[in-house]
Amino acid sequence: GENVEQHPSTLSVQEGDSAVIKCTYSDSASNYFPWYKQELGKGPQLIIDIRSNVGEKKDQRIAVTLNKTAKHFSLHITETQPEDSAVYFCAASSSGSARQLTFGSGTQLTVLP
Amino acid sequence: GAVVSQHPSWVICKSGTSVKIECRSLDFQATTMFWYRQFPKQSLMLMATSNEGSKATYEQGVEKDKFLINHASLTLSTLTVTSAHPEDSSFYICSGLLSGTDTQYFGPGTRLTVL
Repeated sequence: GENVEQHPSTLSVQEGDSAVIKCTYSDSASNYFPWYKQELGKGPQLIIDIRSNVGEKKDQRIAVTLNKTAKHFSLHITETQPEDSAVYFCAASSSGSARQLTFGSGTQLTVLP
Repeated sequence: GAVVSQHPSWVICKSGTSVKIECRSLDFQATTMFWYRQFPKQSLMLMATSNEGSKATYEQGVEKDKFLINHASLTLSTLTVTSAHPEDSSFYICSGLLSGTDTQYFGPGTRLTVL
């Protein structure tokens, strides 16, 4: 089955700086890679996703890059704000897995004012 | 984005009792819904995949007779934790798969505490 590794587990940045979270996956059949933000006591919220037919996707301050050859993808948050503080999860799925998501272990991002 | 609700948001029950959690897709039809469990400071672990009108598929190690899942309509799936024990205390989260896409939208979660 799929295995998704995520690092770092914790990340502290100063407000206004950039944050980068990286994930690797094992199953070459995976073709969908979403990122979720989870605030304490709440469910995960989809913030951006990318499919294997593109290498990069951007939405305002958030971007995701995908390297299929190396089987890794990254989340980039620019101009971080205190409200970006949360746990971020990467995930991967494939059509062959009934669209089941395999999650990374999560990154606690803290943006210091 | 699509909205998924869960009810209740939290529940406390006595050991040995059963608890039902509802998951509803409010503005889309979800032929497939997923149930996850999340322990403190850990990632989401898939418990089962629920398809409308058919039996759920459970992940290895998840007892199907203990965690009963019903997906009777395109907008509602329920998870019943039967004969709950303290080790079942956790954060239970459902998601709905937007039909024709890869995208799962998650509910706000249900905090279950078994005394």
